[in-house]
Amino acid sequence: DVKVTQSSRYLVKRTGEKVFLECVQDMDHENMFWYRQDPGLGLRLIYFSYDVKMKEKGDIPEGYSVSREKKERFSLILESASTNQTSMYLCASSAYSTEAFFGQGTRLTVV
Amino acid sequence: QQQVKQSPQSLIVQKGGISIINCAYENTAFDYFPWYQQFPGKGPALLIAIRPDVSEKKEGRFTISFNKSAKQFSLHIMDSQPGDSATYFCAARNNYGQNFVFGPGTRLSVLP
Repeated sequence: DVKVTQSSRYLVKRTGEKVFLECVQDMDHENMFWYRQDPGLGLRLIYFSYDVKMKEKGDIPEGYSVSREKKERFSLILESASTNQTSMYLCASSAYSTEAFFGQGTRLTVV
Repeated sequence: QQQVKQSPQSLIVQKGGISIINCAYENTAFDYFPWYQQFPGKGPALLIAIRPDVSEKKEGRFTISFNKSAKQFSLHIMDSQPGDSATYFCAARNNYGQNFVFGPGTRLSVLP
């Protein structure tokens, strides 16, 4: 079974902190994604990566950056957390032309 | 053009009934249409998917109907069960990129 593991289920951070969300997949997938999920807005793509050290902006990249130094790991970075970044963050991976597999999500609260 | 529209926002169905969720898209470059099911506190999980060269795909109680000319597709859940209560997302992926575009979701409640 494909496994996508996010490092934390719940996080509480203070405004202005730098926040790292980590994601690891074990199926050698080329593509990895970070989505943000908010009620009524569905899943919105923040960034995705189709190869090591490659990244593409999604629909809402402002305030976020990503890092992919190894194929299995994709990190989402909030440079200076703000309260409007309180949300559920979902990591996913996929092989070329296959479906996406999701992690369990990280619920981030910024206070 | 990258949007996927989904309706209804919420749906209440009696046990044994049929649940129907509809999605529509504009981008003709989309070539893969998965449906995801999400339970509270969990990440979305693939339920069923279809490509535009077929008009219908059935897996157990779940069926996708696809109308390429209307750019619409729908999920039908037959004999709906309380265990089907979840949020359902339709999605689409274009044939030149690898990212997925998701609908806003439908919260389904199946009453016992």
